[in-house]
Amino acid sequence: DIVMTQSPRSLSVTLGQPASISCRSSQSLVHKNGNTYLIWFHQRPGQSPRRLIYQVSNRDSGVPDRFSGSGSVTDFTLRISRVEAEDVGIYYCMQGTYLTTFGQGTRLEI
Amino acid sequence: QAQLLQSGAEVKKPGASVRVSCKASGYNFMTYFMYWVRQAPGQGLEWVGWINPQSGGTKLAQKFQGRVTLTRDTSITTGYMDFNNLRPDDTAMYYCSRDLGDWGQGTLVTVSS
Repeated sequence: DIVMTQSPRSLSVTLGQPASISCRSSQSLVHKNGNTYLIWFHQRPGQSPRRLIYQVSNRDSGVPDRFSGSGSVTDFTLRISRVEAEDVGIYYCMQGTYLTTFGQGTRLEI
Repeated sequence: QAQLLQSGAEVKKPGASVRVSCKASGYNFMTYFMYWVRQAPGQGLEWVGWINPQSGGTKLAQKFQGRVTLTRDTSITTGYMDFNNLRPDDTAMYYCSRDLGDWGQGTLVTVSS
């Protein structure tokens, strides 16, 4: 099974400052079709998860452009250019190349 | 606007079974896989499985094989997760999702004697 490892596990950021979360997979996430199925989610307390980014770097509709995803093969990063109060919560990466596996999550606080 | 409406909370005893339903609306039900994901209290997200509504084909995470069955009723655009032989550590919020892009509100399943 593919293991997804996120770091850091928690992050304290000042409003307006950038934030970055790393996600590493135990093997390449490049599918035989050439796509890389790496997704980022955000979950606020008491709410369902919300997808932010799919296929490494594509923002979902309605996601602010301060969120960006990058990376390739086994190393991926979610960046928030200027953290806002509504960004608190837990961020998860997830691979969908070989079945589905979530990272352990990264808690972001202000 | 896609919407997924899940059935209400359940309390079950160990060894019992539970069915969670997920009523989909606002999109072509046949076009998108329905995922099931769970989250134990205070823990992270865990993939349970998915179903292809078009074919009825399913894929489950290995740990749930033999205890979980995913089905759908296309006539009423509803997906179902049947979970048998429940254990206390199956206590969790269970979510359905349209291809991981839209999510239901979650169904809390509590397993306790």
